[in-house]
Amino acid sequence: AQKVTQAQTEISVVEKEDVTLDCVYETRDTTYYLFWYKQPPSGELVFLIRRNSFDEQNEISGRYSWNFQKSTSSFNFTITASQVVDSAVYFCALSEAGNAGNMLTFGGGTRLMVKP
Amino acid sequence: EPEVTQTPSHQVTQMGQEVILRCVPISNHLYFYWYRQILGQKVEFLVSFYNNEISEKSEIFDDQFSVERPDGSNFTLKIRSTKLEDSAMYFCASRGVGTSGKETQYFGPGTRLLVL
Repeated sequence: AQKVTQAQTEISVVEKEDVTLDCVYETRDTTYYLFWYKQPPSGELVFLIRRNSFDEQNEISGRYSWNFQKSTSSFNFTITASQVVDSAVYFCALSEAGNAGNMLTFGGGTRLMVKP
Repeated sequence: EPEVTQTPSHQVTQMGQEVILRCVPISNHLYFYWYRQILGQKVEFLVSFYNNEISEKSEIFDDQFSVERPDGSNFTLKIRSTKLEDSAMYFCASRGVGTSGKETQYFGPGTRLLVL
């Protein structure tokens, strides 16, 4: 069974601080996919990134970076120089390749509040 | 930009009534999903749909729920006899290559269902 844990339920930072959101996953599949989605106050789910289990290269996109470590089953997300617009709930999710429907299993989410 | 759309954005219904939530997936996508999010909680998978049939469903998706693709564009979720605990945000998603250039699930804006 697949499981995603986001231990931090809420994080509060001051603008321009760096912040890391933790994600730990469990799966028995050797091929799987990891995702991050952002849910702003308006409620929609915005796709941020997808990583494949066989590609452990870290990725950077502007102020966002992701650190995938298979050895610790973690896929952490760092926002550099946070801004007020980054305030949202962030969800980490997992999809197993062996799963027929490729459903996403979400973590509980981390609410990030960036104060001016 | 192609996107997943959902109607209505909000629906209020009486317990025991039937509701139909509608979704228009991204046109060239072949896999469709419904998820729900009870207020303040994580996003939960309900059902996946491919080639005009359900490919996977969760324990939540019991006999009260059904999905249909009545024509080439719409994808619907029907709840036959709503219960108070069905109150949630319902997200439709379709999977394929989207604006990010990556294959992933793209979510609609959601329908907030309130059962009284």
